[in-house]
Amino acid sequence: EPEVTQTPSHQVTQMGQEVILRCVPISNHLYFYWYRQILGQKVEFLVSFYNNEISEKSEIFDDQFSVERPDGSNFTLKIRSTKLEDSAMYFCASSELRGNQPQHFGDGTRLSIL
Amino acid sequence: GESVGLHLPTLSVQEGDNSIINCAYSNSASDYFIWYKQESGKGPQFIIDIRSNMDKRQGQRVTVLLNKTVKHLSLQIAATQPGDSAVYFCAESIGNDYKLSFGAGTTVTVRA
Repeated sequence: EPEVTQTPSHQVTQMGQEVILRCVPISNHLYFYWYRQILGQKVEFLVSFYNNEISEKSEIFDDQFSVERPDGSNFTLKIRSTKLEDSAMYFCASSELRGNQPQHFGDGTRLSIL
Repeated sequence: GESVGLHLPTLSVQEGDNSIINCAYSNSASDYFIWYKQESGKGPQFIIDIRSNMDKRQGQRVTVLLNKTVKHLSLQIAATQPGDSAVYFCAESIGNDYKLSFGAGTTVTVRA
């Protein structure tokens, strides 16, 4: 069964440094998402991406965050200047269509900011 | 605003028994609901979904019930197995919204 893959599984970064989290969505999916989950808390929506542009973003997704689809298979989340509170699991998801469709998640990247 | 939550944070179930996991939502405009299972160290795994024009949907060993009158969603797992031990999340969305809004999760532990 096709799946969403994310790399790295764990990223440790010094506060203030830039970090890029990578995802390969399911190949025939057109909609891509990033979510985060702070330890012990619920999964929170960050951003959705379709047709090479952001389609929706949450208040969490401020100007320190950016997303990109640099080629036909990868989807990345960049945090420009990391803060301690950015420490979380970051999940990439994809769906075939928009709305009323299951989103399929990767296993996440654990981001630890020191 | 949208709010999706679960009635109980933990559920302990004897192997072979049926499990019922509950979820309450507050936004009557929500029209799509989905259950995910999250095992330790893994991402949310899709279990089953339901649209608001239905009140019941069945999958393999799982049934989702939707009661729009009281804004309540439940997941029933038949003959619970040790592999069912995980955190279960309900999530919802509205119309053609892109985002899913997740509840807080219920930890299910299956006793042998």
